[in-house]
Amino acid sequence: QVQLQESGPGLVKPSQTLSLTCTVSGDSISNGAYYWTWIRQHPGKGLEWVGYIYDSGSTYYSPSLKSRLTISIATSKNQFSLTLTSLTAADTAVYYCARARHSGDYEDYWGQGTLVTVSS
Amino acid sequence: DIQMTQSPSSLSASVGDRVTITCRASQSIRSYLNWYQQTPGKAPKLLIYTASSLQSGVPSRFSGSGFGTDFTLTISTLQPEDFATYYCQQSYNTPRTFGQGTKVEIQ
Repeated sequence: QVQLQESGPGLVKPSQTLSLTCTVSGDSISNGAYYWTWIRQHPGKGLEWVGYIYDSGSTYYSPSLKSRLTISIATSKNQFSLTLTSLTAADTAVYYCARARHSGDYEDYWGQGTLVTVSS
Repeated sequence: DIQMTQSPSSLSASVGDRVTITCRASQSIRSYLNWYQQTPGKAPKLLIYTASSLQSGVPSRFSGSGFGTDFTLTISTLQPEDFATYYCQQSYNTPRTFGQGTKVEIQ
């Protein structure tokens, strides 16, 4: 059974940098049939796609976050990560990691999500 | 960016009802349309991919249809566990975009 688990700080100060890691179990992150996605959800709001990464390291980012965002992958650890700089209160959200299938391009497995609050 | 518009934003229904949710894309996305269900405090769950394919393990009362710009999610006989928020998502290009969600509430 594929499982994804987000980890990282729950509280970050404004202007600081957020680092989140998604650990994948039950599948190899190097499985070329998939790519690895971050999606966030502001409190009480809808879903916002953040970006994704292939096992090759190629990335695609949301244009609204591109200048502050880096997604990386550590195949030896079966993990991928999100780094978001210059945080503001607008970055307060639940952050989800997910696995997406190349064939059809849909997220079939999701982590449980982690709430990140940006506050001093 | 491709805009995804769902309607209605919310609806009230009873157990046993047939429910239909629509999703419209601002340009053609062919069949690259997915539907997710989210209950409070939980991660979204994939229901339908590529417009009409039922994800493994999802009850057959869920079905999807459409092509191009107009899509539909139908729940044939609403069950208590179906009260949730439903999102459509286009995966035709990046950035991926979601509809604003449709909340299905108990009447």
